[in-house]
Amino acid sequence: SQKIEQNSEALNIQEGKTATLTCNYTNYSPAYLQWYRQDPGRGPVFLLLIRENEKEKRKERLKVTFDTTLKQSLFHITASQPADSATYLCAPTDSWGKFQFGAGTQVVVTP
Amino acid sequence: GAVVSQHPSRVICKSGTSVKIECRSLDFQATTMFWYRQFPKKSLMLMATSNEGSKATYEQGVEKDKFLINHASLTLSTLTVTSAHPEDSSFYICSARGPGRGYNEQFFGPGTRLTVL
Repeated sequence: SQKIEQNSEALNIQEGKTATLTCNYTNYSPAYLQWYRQDPGRGPVFLLLIRENEKEKRKERLKVTFDTTLKQSLFHITASQPADSATYLCAPTDSWGKFQFGAGTQVVVTP
Repeated sequence: GAVVSQHPSRVICKSGTSVKIECRSLDFQATTMFWYRQFPKKSLMLMATSNEGSKATYEQGVEKDKFLINHASLTLSTLTVTSAHPEDSSFYICSARGPGRGYNEQFFGPGTRLTVL
């Protein structure tokens, strides 16, 4: 069965450092992979999308890589700020556009 | 940007009652709406996909008679949890997609916290 794995433990990081989150998937051949941010008691907010033929994508302080051989995506937050504290969800997406969310990784950025 | 609202944001009900949750797209026409549920510290699980004017498509394991979905207009979808029980307590989130947009262009509502006593 399809499986999505994200770091289950919270990532505690000091302000200004780079946070790196991992998303691994099995029994999937996603056409692209999405990353969302979710704050407590709120719905997810779309951040970035990377296609299978793209190695890396950037948006402001965010960077995403996608390795279809390793079946893995890495999500980086550079120069992290306390406002970046949230849960980050990855969502491998098939060619029809249907996706499932991973359980998410909580990031806590301390001043 | 596209805005999706949900009402109510929180609801507490007694076991055996039915609860209706509304999902509205405020500034665009949503041809497709999706309903998810999320348990604490767990991922969002897609429950069903609804297209305006047609029956919803439910994911495997989701009881369609338990979770009634109606998408009667291009701006409104409702989820009714019938004869709710404590195990139905969860965070329910809807998302909406406009015409001609891919699945990835979904806009999520703020969620509804359901507590069944």
